[in-house]
Amino acid sequence: QKEVEQNSGPLSVPEGAIASLNCTYSDRGSQSFFWYRQYSGKSPELIMFIYSNGDKEDGRFTAQLNKASQYVSLLIRDSQPSDSATYLCAVTYNFNKFYFGSGTKLNVKP
Amino acid sequence: EAQVTQNPRYLITVTGKKLTVTCSQNMNHEYMSWYRQDPGLGLRQIYYSMNVEVTDKGDVPEGYKVSRKEKRNFPLILESPSPNQTSLYFCASSITGGDWEAFFGQGTRLTVV
Repeated sequence: QKEVEQNSGPLSVPEGAIASLNCTYSDRGSQSFFWYRQYSGKSPELIMFIYSNGDKEDGRFTAQLNKASQYVSLLIRDSQPSDSATYLCAVTYNFNKFYFGSGTKLNVKP
Repeated sequence: EAQVTQNPRYLITVTGKKLTVTCSQNMNHEYMSWYRQDPGLGLRQIYYSMNVEVTDKGDVPEGYKVSRKEKRNFPLILESPSPNQTSLYFCASSITGGDWEAFFGQGTRLTVV
């Protein structure tokens, strides 16, 4: 069973702070890693993906991948109340099957 | 507008009554997939399709069927629904290769009583 683990939260941060979301996965063969944001009652939307060790930045978002330790994280800088949502981590090893974590709920307090 | 359309959005049905949830995308995507989302369990993949007439099981295929006769459509069929299939269902599509960004439908909330 391929597992993707996330802390369910909620993670509360003040507006303007850095939010750090973490995800661990069990399959060392996993190739690519995705972060999705899901607002309450809405469908998931892709924030970013990463497949190489290290950091990948896109605006206020930075994904960090460490394949040796089997974790991937998402940093959100200058957090805004509009960032309040559930963040889903997903992994794939063959681009056919995708495995999602249960998500971390983020609350950004004004 | 690029979109994935699911119908119906909400459905209450009785145990054993066959139903179909439709999914259609207008982006000419090869890859399509169905997920169910349950509290505390996240999204779990039911079936996926790499292209027309090419489908395969995801992590939780029991009790579901799919077909892919046209590129744009990927219906999910529950031949004999049971209460444990009460869930929120999402259809998704994406191009193959590149960033594999999956576009999700609006979701179908199914209740089986």
